[in-house]
Amino acid sequence: DTAVSQTPKYLVTQMGNDKSIKCEQNLGHDTMYWYKQDSKKFLKIMFSYNNKELIINETVPNRFSPKSPDKAHLNLHINSLELGDSAVYFCASSETLGQGAGYTFGSGTRLTVV
Amino acid sequence: GENVEQHPSTLSVQEGDSAVIKCTYSDSASNYFPWYKQELGKRPQLIIDIRSNVGEKKDQRIAVTLNKTAKHFSLHITETQPEDSAVYFCAASLYGNKLVFGAGTILRVKS
Repeated sequence: DTAVSQTPKYLVTQMGNDKSIKCEQNLGHDTMYWYKQDSKKFLKIMFSYNNKELIINETVPNRFSPKSPDKAHLNLHINSLELGDSAVYFCASSETLGQGAGYTFGSGTRLTVV
Repeated sequence: GENVEQHPSTLSVQEGDSAVIKCTYSDSASNYFPWYKQELGKRPQLIIDIRSNVGEKKDQRIAVTLNKTAKHFSLHITETQPEDSAVYFCAASLYGNKLVFGAGTILRVKS
């Protein structure tokens, strides 16, 4: 019974295409995140939602658009994909904002843009 | 904003030895410091965390220490085993919002 699940696990696509990654958590957490892990393993936050509201939007190109239909789901849509978007994208969730709890990460989506 | 530096970038130890990874943070308001372990091709997993009102925390073979004055914290792994080989990340945040991660340490335990 996976706590944070992402689909797809692998995504290979051509430059210029539009793609989406889906994330769902069954932990009852209020806050969800998208992180990007580059080829050097560096983990950088992209977005954070608390109870469906966007609370963190880092300096990410506006080709990236998150959507949270409810607090258990956070999807990431990417338009006009570029080679530099190739990375592993992790979804994560945590308990109520401000409680100082660790994140639970999904298994990641490896995006390869060719 | 917060900035976290992590050292060393790679660490090789013999099985049974201890390993220490150090991190420094820049924002004195940060009060939550977790450590994550990421095995090859897997997700980062929380292994231990510490809050700013505590100086040290231990869980079996792993321990974390925090020096708020110097703004640094460290992960200590004793009696290392081959299964400890992984990438370890430190992170810092205010109350767990927006975790800022260090660049990671590749730990290799040689048997």
